[in-house]
This record gives sequence, C-alpha cells and structure tokens, in this order.
Amino acid sequence: EAGVAQSPRYKIIEKRQSVAFWCNPISGHATLYWYQQILGQGPKLLIQFQNNGVVDDSQLPKDRFSAERLKGVDSTLKIQPAKLEDSAVYLCASSFSGTNNSPLHFGNGTRLTVT
Amino acid sequence: QKEVEQNSGPLSVPEGAIASLNCTYSDRGSQSFFWYRQYSGKSPELIMSIYSNGDKEDGRFTAQLNKASQYVSLLIRDSQPSDSATYLCAVILGGTSYGKLTFGQGTILTVHP
Repeated sequence: EAGVAQSPRYKIIEKRQSVAFWCNPISGHATLYWYQQILGQGPKLLIQFQNNGVVDDSQLPKDRFSAERLKGVDSTLKIQPAKLEDSAVYLCASSFSGTNNSPLHFGNGTRLTVT
Repeated sequence: QKEVEQNSGPLSVPEGAIASLNCTYSDRGSQSFFWYRQYSGKSPELIMSIYSNGDKEDGRFTAQLNKASQYVSLLIRDSQPSDSATYLCAVILGGTSYGKLTFGQGTILTVHP
C-alpha cells in the first residue's frame, strides 16, 4: 500500500511571499488532516476534511491560510502571505474512516522556512 | 492547563533499562489514546493505542491507562539505542469527532549504550 505523499519536501521563502503544499492521501481514505509541527512541539491540527467537506478548521489562521480537497482526494494547503512564525513542518495525514479507532497515517511532511 | 501534557524531557536511560513516559490529559470524557514515535526529521508513526483502563502489551511496549487519574503512560522494556526518538502522546478529546488527535509536546528519549 502506497503511503501518504507530500510535496515539496523542503521550501524556503521570504516573509510576505506565498507558498502551497500538496498532499495525496492513501487510496480510499476518507479523512485527511493537515498538521503544523513547530520545532520542539507536538503537531497541531490546522484543518480536517471528511471526503471533500471541512470537519474542523478551528485552529486554521484563516486570514492567511487556506486549504481545499478537490473531489475528496488530493489536498492543497496555501499560506499567503507567510510570516516568520509559519516556519514549521507541515504534516498531512489520512485515515480510512475518521472514526476514533481508525489510525492516522502521516506523510513525510514539508519543512517550510520563512526568512 | 494544556489539553495534553507530557513529562518534560529529555529522558536518558542506559541500554537494557526500562524507559517510562508519562502523559496527562485535561478532558475527563476522552476515550482514545495513542503513542507515536517520531525519529528526527521523520513523520510520527503509531506504536500503541489504548482505549480501556489497565495495561496493554505489545512486544517490549506496554501502555497503561487510568481514566480516573486522567493519565496514560508508555513503558519500554529492554530499551535499545534504536528506541532513541521523540515520543508523542495523542488523545481524542471528549466531544471531538472524526478521529481528531490532540498531541502533547513530546518527550525526547535517548538510550545510551
């Protein structure tokens, strides 16, 4: 079974620029998550999709972050404009059903550095 | 109070010893608890899940859950240098749905030969 695919692996941008990350979940997984992990901290959920609908985006800074999941499969996360504090690893995860017993599978992440 | 809090590290143990990692959570209604391991520069990987009070064993790993005390722990027996990693406690807090995980800040474990 192919895992969760993310690209790019690394991205360096200047503050106020925009950036986009892409995620392809495991085939058949209905639930997709974007987490932000700042160095030395645990992952923090930004947004959660069930199929192509948003379930939870309560911690997404909506003035600068946006995300979509086209046709309930791939997803993109965008930051515009970026701030220095957005430097982090952005992890995409998917699960089969999104139930409490359905484990999350993480991609390798995108490491973003904002200078 | 943080929703999920882990004992501050880093934790250093000699090879062959028992490593004990602890986690407390704030929401008494929480039902699902997980331990993830994260190697440096890698993504988190699930190593244990526990849903009922008591112990759950899987090889060298034992998860312990005490809902009355709002406490979950992970014991690693016969620790190996390859166990050196950050261990993340994750909880599905009460009232949340669709498997939303809330993570602790992680505990760095170093197993030295």
